Amino acid sequence: GNSVTQMEGPVTLSEEAFLTINCTYTATGYPSLFWYVQYPGEGLQLLLKATKADDKGSNKGFEATYRKETTSFHLEKGSVQVSDSAVYFCALTVSGGYNKLIFGAGTRLAVHP
Amino acid sequence: GAVVSQHPSWVICKSGTSVKIECRSLDFQATTMFWYRQFPKQSLMLMATSNEGSKATYEQGVEKDKFLINHASLTLSTLTVTSAHPEDSSFYICSASSDTEAFFGQGTRLTVV
Repeated sequence: GNSVTQMEGPVTLSEEAFLTINCTYTATGYPSLFWYVQYPGEGLQLLLKATKADDKGSNKGFEATYRKETTSFHLEKGSVQVSDSAVYFCALTVSGGYNKLIFGAGTRLAVHP
Repeated sequence: GAVVSQHPSWVICKSGTSVKIECRSLDFQATTMFWYRQFPKQSLMLMATSNEGSKATYEQGVEKDKFLINHASLTLSTLTVTSAHPEDSSFYICSASSDTEAFFGQGTRLTVV
């Protein structure tokens, strides 16, 4: 079946530290991959996406590369800020578009000054 | 960007009562909306796909008679948890998709006492 596994949190970092949140997936066919972010008290927001192998999604300093050979889509940021504190969800869809997203468990990131 | 509004953001109800959760797409028409459920420290699980003007499509294992979904218009879908029990306590999230992105509501935390 289709599934997403991401590293357990919480991840606690100091401001300006390097961030990696691991995400691996299993899927039939050729999935599209996403990272969503949920700030406290808000709904999930699309952070970045990649629709085919070797694509790199990027937004707000965050990056993730679609690695078909390792079935991974790790999220990285070179220098985190306190405002990046949130829960990050890795997700995929195999049905095309944004229908029937399959999510990982979410990773909580806490950034301290 | 487009906004999906979910109401209420939290609700406490007694066992045996029913609770209705509303999901509205505020600035676009959504022929399809999705309802997810999230248990603590677990991923969002798709419960059902809500189709405007027709019956919802439920995922395997989701009781359609307990979780009633109505999609009466292109901007409103409702989820009614009928005869709620403590095990129904959870975080419920709705989503509406346009051609280019999926937008999520803020979520509703349901506590059944």
